[in-house]
Amino acid sequence: GENVEQHPSTLSVQEGDSAVIKCTYSDSASNYFPWYKQELGKGPQLIIDIRSNVGEKKDQRIAVTLNKTAKHFSLHITETQPEDSAVYFCAVLTNAGKSTFGDGTTLTVKP
Amino acid sequence: DAGVIQSPRHEVTEMGQEVTLRCKPISGHNSLFWYRQTMMRGLELLIYFNNNVPIDDSGMPEDRFSAKMPNASFSTLKIQPSEPRDSAVYFCASSIGQAGNQPQHFGDGTRLSIL
Repeated sequence: GENVEQHPSTLSVQEGDSAVIKCTYSDSASNYFPWYKQELGKGPQLIIDIRSNVGEKKDQRIAVTLNKTAKHFSLHITETQPEDSAVYFCAVLTNAGKSTFGDGTTLTVKP
Repeated sequence: DAGVIQSPRHEVTEMGQEVTLRCKPISGHNSLFWYRQTMMRGLELLIYFNNNVPIDDSGMPEDRFSAKMPNASFSTLKIQPSEPRDSAVYFCASSIGQAGNQPQHFGDGTRLSIL
């Protein structure tokens, strides 16, 4: 089955700095790569996604890059703010709908 | 628009009791997913449905777990009999179209504690 590894497990940055979270996967048939933000007591919320025919996607302070050859993708958050503090998950989906999530990264943005 | 609605938000029950978790997907979404989240195992896909039909239940841990989707607006996840190791947060999510490349929208989960 699919194996998704997410790094780092914890990340602490100063407000205004950038944060980068990376995920690798094993199944070359995977073609959809969403990122979720989870706050305490809430369900994961989609923040950005990318499909296999695209190398990069940006939405304001958030961007995702995908390298299908190397089977890795990354989340980039620029100009971090305290409200960005949360747990972030990457996920990998195949056409058949099978989804596998990374173990999560706890991001702390210090004011 | 209302998001995915799960009930109850919290459930505390004794070992051996039957537990039923409920989910109402977003109107118009035809794929529905049940997940379990624990510290040890992270977020695991248990089962998903497309057009009310179970497509993949390979994540269901054992026969004590069952899920149904009798219509497009309602699904249940049942545990019978429940055990302490079933304690976790259970999430339901829904998406439009085929499950493979569409964003999933999550509910806020049911926190289940089995004593």
